Amino acid sequence: QVNLLQSRAALVKPGASVKLSCKASGYTFTDYYIHWVKQSHGKSLEWIGYINPNSGYTNYNEKFKSKATLTVDKSTNTAYMELSRLTSEDSATYYCTRRGWERPFDYWGQGVMVTVSS
Amino acid sequence: DIQMTQSPSFLSASVGDRVTLSCKASQNINKYLAWYQQKLGEAPKLLIYNANSLQTGIPSRFSGSGSGTDFTLTISSLQPEDVATYFCLQHNSWPYTFGAGTKLELK
Repeated sequence: QVNLLQSRAALVKPGASVKLSCKASGYTFTDYYIHWVKQSHGKSLEWIGYINPNSGYTNYNEKFKSKATLTVDKSTNTAYMELSRLTSEDSATYYCTRRGWERPFDYWGQGVMVTVSS
Repeated sequence: DIQMTQSPSFLSASVGDRVTLSCKASQNINKYLAWYQQKLGEAPKLLIYNANSLQTGIPSRFSGSGSGTDFTLTISSLQPEDVATYFCLQHNSWPYTFGAGTKLELK
């Protein structure tokens, strides 16, 4: 069965960086783009960007271009998102999800809460 | 960016009620609208894609309609397990954008 397993919650200091992981299983990793979505506490969802696991091509929401960096490791079927220069505005739950050619975001990771605090 | 406006923000309904949620796009998104259900503490779950296609495993009481700028999610007979927040997503153009959500509770 399809599963996207995300890394554990993170507590990070302002100004630092954090790298989140998303390990895929149950399907061919390179057949689906991996997208990342931000959900601030109690609020709506924001699309951050996606990566093509086959080519490494990325496409970012302009809002997150200087904040997020997406990478993949095909050898371990794992996608990563690094968030840099963290501020309190980056405190949120971050989800990875996959997109096939027809169905957007049919499977999601469990989400990882990032808390930025000194 | 395309703005997605959901209404109402909050809805209270009784078991067995027919419930209709609305999502409006600020410009034409053709049929590229999806609906998600998010329960407290969980990831969103895909219900409907391409405006009216039911995702595998989703009960048939859920249905979607619309095209262009106006879309609707209908629950034909509300069940207790449908208590959740519902989000729409446009996947017609970059950046993808979500609506602010409709929180559905039982009366």
